Amino acid sequence: EDQVTQSPEALRLQEGESSSLNCSYTVSGLRGLFWYRQDPGKGPEFLFTLYSAGEEKEKERLKATLTKKESFLHITAPKPEDSATYLCAVQPYSSASKIIFGSGTRLSIRP
Amino acid sequence: DAGVTQSPTHLIKTRGQQVTLRCSPKSGHDTVSWYQQALGQGPQFIFQYYEEEERQRGNFPDRFSGHQFPNYSSELNVNALLLGDSALYLCASSTLSEQFFGPGTRLTVL
Repeated sequence: EDQVTQSPEALRLQEGESSSLNCSYTVSGLRGLFWYRQDPGKGPEFLFTLYSAGEEKEKERLKATLTKKESFLHITAPKPEDSATYLCAVQPYSSASKIIFGSGTRLSIRP
Repeated sequence: DAGVTQSPTHLIKTRGQQVTLRCSPKSGHDTVSWYQQALGQGPQFIFQYYEEEERQRGNFPDRFSGHQFPNYSSELNVNALLLGDSALYLCASSTLSEQFFGPGTRLTVL
């Protein structure tokens, strides 16, 4: 069964303290892996799509990486405005219309 | 470009009632997906519409139905509402490499 597990569930960091969020996945053929940011009560905001192991993408203080079993979202020198829930999702080849989400990591950055 | 829009923003219904939620996709997108997001959980795929047909469906009962119009906008209908249907309902429009979400409709069932 296709599955996505994110860890940790919640993470509290001091401003400027770098860290990584983990997304482990089990899928029968990965078409794409997505990262989203979601603020409370709002829809997810698209961040990155990764397609193959070894691929990396960056946007401001965020960098996403992909291996055959997991993806990491690295956050460098975070600011309070980076506080949000970060969602990981996979798109399997077997059912490309259906994107499977993890439960997310709630990130809180203290000033 | 207005992006993906959804209406209404909030909705309160009672058990047994029926509800219709609406979505307009991002300009240039012809594929619309619907998701249910319970508090503290990730979005769960309900179904996807393409060319006015339901292309794929997640593990949701037949009480959940949808429609896509020729202008690519879409509706989600839920019949015989249950307390457990209370959630944020998200619409997303997509290309092959990106999926953009709307702001969602918060449905509360009393």
